[in-house]
Amino acid sequence: DAGVTQSPTHLIKTRGQQVTLRCSPKSGHDTVSWYQQALGQGPQFIFQYYEEEERQRGNFPDRFSGHQFPNYSSELNVNALLLGDSALYLCASNRQGVTNEKLFFGSGTQLSVL
Amino acid sequence: GDSVTQMEGPVTLSEEAFLTINCTYTATGYPSLFWYVQYPGEGLQLLLKATKADDKGSNKGFEATYRKETTSFHLEKGSVQVSDSAVYFCALRGNSGGSNYKLTFGKGTLLTVNP
Repeated sequence: DAGVTQSPTHLIKTRGQQVTLRCSPKSGHDTVSWYQQALGQGPQFIFQYYEEEERQRGNFPDRFSGHQFPNYSSELNVNALLLGDSALYLCASNRQGVTNEKLFFGSGTQLSVL
Repeated sequence: GDSVTQMEGPVTLSEEAFLTINCTYTATGYPSLFWYVQYPGEGLQLLLKATKADDKGSNKGFEATYRKETTSFHLEKGSVQVSDSAVYFCALRGNSGGSNYKLTFGKGTLLTVNP
């Protein structure tokens, strides 16, 4: 079982560009969440996808958008990048509807905006 | 809204010392509480959890008790090892509708254990 896999591991972009990050959930999981972890901070919830729809959203601007595919994998898109978007982006997966289900995290994509 | 406050770091200890990392929370209802650990270059790993008041979560010698009266979930270990060096995050998951899998994290505490 490969667990949660994210790509790429590192990415460098410049201000104003757009970026797409990818996540494959753990086998058997149907729900994917994205978190942003700025340097020295705890992860902050961006949004969650289930059945190819955004189900919950944290306090992030519309520049942050996502998608979930029929195979449950997911993409996080960020438009008009700002320096402050530099962070580790974590993907997490779980099975919907299972009480006290454990959340599994990937190793993250480190995004640097110059 | 939900929030988690945990002890500011960094914390530096000698091997076999006693560890306490304080965590308090604000949430409505009866949240579930977690401690996650992040080793360098890796993602978050669940260390332990407690889902109701007075529950004690434990794993790998670490333990934490869900104290509703003090809204706390302090992490303790009796004898730390060099391999415990990592960043520790306290987190909660609210139980109100629609927030079942959204975690709210504290800022993290960097622990360094010296031989």
